[in-house]
Amino acid sequence: SQTIHQWPATLVQPVGSPLSLECTVEGTSNPNLYWYRQAAGRGLQLLFYSVGIGQISSEVPQNLSASRPQDRQFILSSKKLLLSDSGFYLCAWSQGQFGNTIYFGEGSWLTVV
Amino acid sequence: QKEVEQDPGPLSVPEGAIVSLNCTYSNSAFQYFMWYRQYSRKGPELLMYTYSSGNKEDGRFTAQVDKSSKYISLFIRDSQPSDSATYLCAMISGNQFYFGTGTSLTVIP
Repeated sequence: SQTIHQWPATLVQPVGSPLSLECTVEGTSNPNLYWYRQAAGRGLQLLFYSVGIGQISSEVPQNLSASRPQDRQFILSSKKLLLSDSGFYLCAWSQGQFGNTIYFGEGSWLTVV
Repeated sequence: QKEVEQDPGPLSVPEGAIVSLNCTYSNSAFQYFMWYRQYSRKGPELLMYTYSSGNKEDGRFTAQVDKSSKYISLFIRDSQPSDSATYLCAMISGNQFYFGTGTSLTVIP
């Protein structure tokens, strides 16, 4: 069966520091991969998605970036965090060109202080 | 108008009650419909997904889709305190996913 792992679960970072959140999927190949941010009362905001290694689409201009160095690995990064980057970040995957559902990781709580 | 509308609640019911959670949508191209349960500070967990209009049952949960009215529902029978969570509806058009903002449910023992 397929599983998705996301880490770290919680982190507190000072303003201006770098960020790296990692996500891996097991039990499938060539998944579509996503990074979402979830704000209370505002639902899920798609940040990045990827249909293959090195292929990243950005939905929201910001100081975050994403990379996909391996088929089942997705990384969310920032060189310098802002206070407004605080939030709950979710990695997710779906299968194939027309995957009919999406599966989420456990999420990462980021607090920028 | 948002693609998917979901009443945020909060919804509070006594244990054993039947819960009805609903979403409306505007895009008739939506093909698959999903419900997720999300506990506090956790990722959303897939509960049910369905494609066609009608009902789909899984234990205490029933998902209902009415494509003619662009309306989907999730019913929870014999609700339990462990059902207290936020429930999100989701839909697909092509390879794009669209989510409701979630309904917060509390089941009181």
